[in-house]
Amino acid sequence: AQSVSQHNHHVILSEAASLELGCNYSYGGTVNLFWYVQYPGQHLQLLLKYFSGDPLVKGIKGFEAEFIKSKFSFNLRKPSVQWSDTAEYFCAVDFTGGGNKLTFGTGTQLKVEL
Amino acid sequence: DAGVIQSPRHEVTEMGQEVTLRCKPISGHDYLFWYRQTMMRGLELLIYFNNNVPIDDSGMPEDRFSAKMPNASFSTLKIQPSEPRDSAVYFCASSSGTHRGAFFGQGTRLTVV
Repeated sequence: AQSVSQHNHHVILSEAASLELGCNYSYGGTVNLFWYVQYPGQHLQLLLKYFSGDPLVKGIKGFEAEFIKSKFSFNLRKPSVQWSDTAEYFCAVDFTGGGNKLTFGTGTQLKVEL
Repeated sequence: DAGVIQSPRHEVTEMGQEVTLRCKPISGHDYLFWYRQTMMRGLELLIYFNNNVPIDDSGMPEDRFSAKMPNASFSTLKIQPSEPRDSAVYFCASSSGTHRGAFFGQGTRLTVV
């Protein structure tokens, strides 16, 4: 079955530390990839997306993600986190090719300490 | 644009009662999605529509759940009868065309007691 895995459920970092959140999916075909962020008490917001082209995708707020097809991965990175990055991060994959039907990972709760 | 609008934001109801959640998608978007978020199961896609037509309802948990989209600017998700295990945050999202990602509403937090 097609699935999305986020192995880090909780991450705690100090401000200015670098961040990398893992996302893996199980499917050998063409996929479209997304990262969403959910700040406390708020709705999900799109951080970045990959459909084709350069596998290194830059999103909002200094986030980027790299698609490594051979590893079925789409890890999210940020060189230097801020306290305001405290949120839950969701990786999502569209296995249908249309970019609309998303399967979400279980999320990673990030806490950034001052 | 006001974004995706959901109502109510919070709903507390007794087991056995009918619950109706409402969603207004972003104007011009032709896809609408209903998701459910729980601690145990994360974010699950329940159903989605394209041009007001249900395309995939395989995520709807059981017959107690139904969704409609009578026009391009309104959708409902109904649970009848509701059960405590239906307690969750229900999100509506909309998108335009393909390869755009979805825009989410603020969600409805449903508590069934």
